[in-house]
Amino acid sequence: GEDVEQSLFLSVREGDSSVINCTYTDSSSTYLYWYKQEPGAGLQLLTYIFSNMDMKQDQRLTVLLNKKDKHLSLRIADTQTGDSAIYFCAEGDTPLVFGKGTRLSVIA
Amino acid sequence: DADVTQTPRNRITKTGKRIMLECSQTKGHDRMYWYRQDPGLGLRLIYYSFDVKDINKGEISDGYSVSRQAQAKFSLSLESAIPNQTALYFCATSDLRGQGVDTQYFGPGTRLTVL
Repeated sequence: GEDVEQSLFLSVREGDSSVINCTYTDSSSTYLYWYKQEPGAGLQLLTYIFSNMDMKQDQRLTVLLNKKDKHLSLRIADTQTGDSAIYFCAEGDTPLVFGKGTRLSVIA
Repeated sequence: DADVTQTPRNRITKTGKRIMLECSQTKGHDRMYWYRQDPGLGLRLIYYSFDVKDINKGEISDGYSVSRQAQAKFSLSLESAIPNQTALYFCATSDLRGQGVDTQYFGPGTRLTVL
């Protein structure tokens, strides 16, 4: 079945870049997603990438997709303390399959 | 006002009790979902519904049931609660009209503790 793997923790210093990695199994997914969960809240869609693309940039966010290796990454430039959250990778064409989430801690 | 609301926000109950968690949405979406979140296990799908007459089991449906009372309402029941159902429960909605991007909108969550 579908499976999405992510490392559980990442710690970076404020101002540095953060890179969160994800591997997935369903090569037929039309889109791949990154969701963000802030403390005490539900998940919110952060960004997504169409499966035919290699890269998508949206302000401080860069998503890279390597379909051959089924690897997805999210880079956050100039990481701020407000970026501290849990980031979930997700695949699938409904319902989505979510990874376990990567908890990003930003050290001031 | 929030687009996806969940009641109650917190609930403590005892083993063997029947519990209902409710979800309402004002987004007009057809698709609704129930997930549970556990530390280290991420988000797991319990049940989902693509319209009022459609109910589907997710990854971990055992011990749970759902009811889609209307397009806007989707409730989750624990028939006889057990301690390992202690978790954070999220309701979500989505609508695939448009580009086919499955943007899910999550409620604030219900923290359930089963003693």
